[in-house]
Amino acid sequence: KAGVTQTPRYLIKTRGQQVTLSCSPISGHRSVSWYQQTPGQGLQFLFEYFSETQRNKGNFPGRFSGRQFSNSRSEMNVSTLELGDSALYLCASSYRTGNTGELFFGEGSRLTVL
Amino acid sequence: AQSVTQPDIHITVSEGASLELRCNYSYGATPYLFWYVQSPGQGLQLLLKYFSGDTLVQGIKGFEAEFKRSQSSFNLRKPSVHWSDAAEYFCAVGATGTASKLTFGTGTRLQVTL
Repeated sequence: KAGVTQTPRYLIKTRGQQVTLSCSPISGHRSVSWYQQTPGQGLQFLFEYFSETQRNKGNFPGRFSGRQFSNSRSEMNVSTLELGDSALYLCASSYRTGNTGELFFGEGSRLTVL
Repeated sequence: AQSVTQPDIHITVSEGASLELRCNYSYGATPYLFWYVQSPGQGLQLLLKYFSGDTLVQGIKGFEAEFKRSQSSFNLRKPSVHWSDAAEYFCAVGATGTASKLTFGTGTRLQVTL
């Protein structure tokens, strides 16, 4: 079956713009999590959505937001981009929230902010 | 707050040699522990996980890890490394009841020489 699909794979924005990233989870998976990966801060948890509800949230400013649709697809949005937002944004899906199962990661969306 | 330390940033081993990657965690309760691997330009793939029970955990690709509560460690091992194992390895800890909100270590980059 198809894995986690993230679009776009690469994008370049300028400071002050906003960006929307998309994630399609594995079919049947209802939980979607987002992570930011940077050389300086490493992998950091952004948020998790399950059944269209945010279940967990990391320590990121309000400029970072997300949502999940009824088909479990998820989007994350970053407004008023800053240079420090340049990162690889990884989406991961799992069958349900709060479980002890496996997260399946997509290949990520690489955002460059100029 | 939970945390993970991977003391080795970069390790080089010869093909066929044994490997041990170190991971120390800090967590108040019984942790959920994971090892993930990331190849260049790829997302993360789960190698193995520990929730409870047998402290020696077997994973994919011939990897194993041992949970040692007294040392707060969860080191990853492989008896014979293959050139295809060259990648970055991340140890992670999850809070009780969730495998989605993970705290990752800074990663260890493995180089394999032929």
